[in-house]
Amino acid sequence: DSGVTQTPKHLITATGQRVTLRCSPRSGDLSVYWYQQSLDQGLQFLIQYYNGEERAKGNILERFSAQQFPDLHSELNLSSLELGDSALYFCASSVSGTGFGEQYFGPGTRLTVT
Amino acid sequence: EDQVTQSPEALRLQEGESSSLNCSYTVSGLRGLFWYRQDPGKGPEFLFTLYSAGEEKEKERLKATLTKKESFLHITAPKPEDSATYLCAVQASGRGSTLGRLYFGRGTQLTVWP
Repeated sequence: DSGVTQTPKHLITATGQRVTLRCSPRSGDLSVYWYQQSLDQGLQFLIQYYNGEERAKGNILERFSAQQFPDLHSELNLSSLELGDSALYFCASSVSGTGFGEQYFGPGTRLTVT
Repeated sequence: EDQVTQSPEALRLQEGESSSLNCSYTVSGLRGLFWYRQDPGKGPEFLFTLYSAGEEKEKERLKATLTKKESFLHITAPKPEDSATYLCAVQASGRGSTLGRLYFGRGTQLTVWP
């Protein structure tokens, strides 16, 4: 158990809908990262937050957004969902604000868009 | 662009048959190389961090090594419970790199049969 929690474990929704994925980092970690894992793309970095502020952006679509709250939990919002958004979404956390150092991953949310 | 390539894609070993997994990388300014283990449908589990060429880390039957261009994960006398996908990731600090993000390889799927 990494100490990173994610909810829900599974989500099934229809195209065009909007969903919210939630992540709580390990105790003491200030950075939260979101990754998407699909069969054809592997693990892809989406976005990083540190202590409530956006720190780095990766391959995140404009339809996706994220935020980190004062209690350090983070939410990833996916809107206007398409079939291709079906994937595993992972949250990771680390203590570092610079982003360097190991990241600890949560169990993931499996999103299925039908 | 920063790249991480893992080989082989899949590896089948008999219990007790030692072998090595390879991770080659091309990044500008390596800050760290990470090995993770991932079981099907679960989040990556952190194994090792390597920071400089010549460094080695060990954990039970696993030993990770790092050179200037590649890393190896050596598995000694594997057991069926070592079956998983092993992922390699790098962090870079050079121009064009997103601070702190992990660049993942596609992984090596290891199967150890009794």
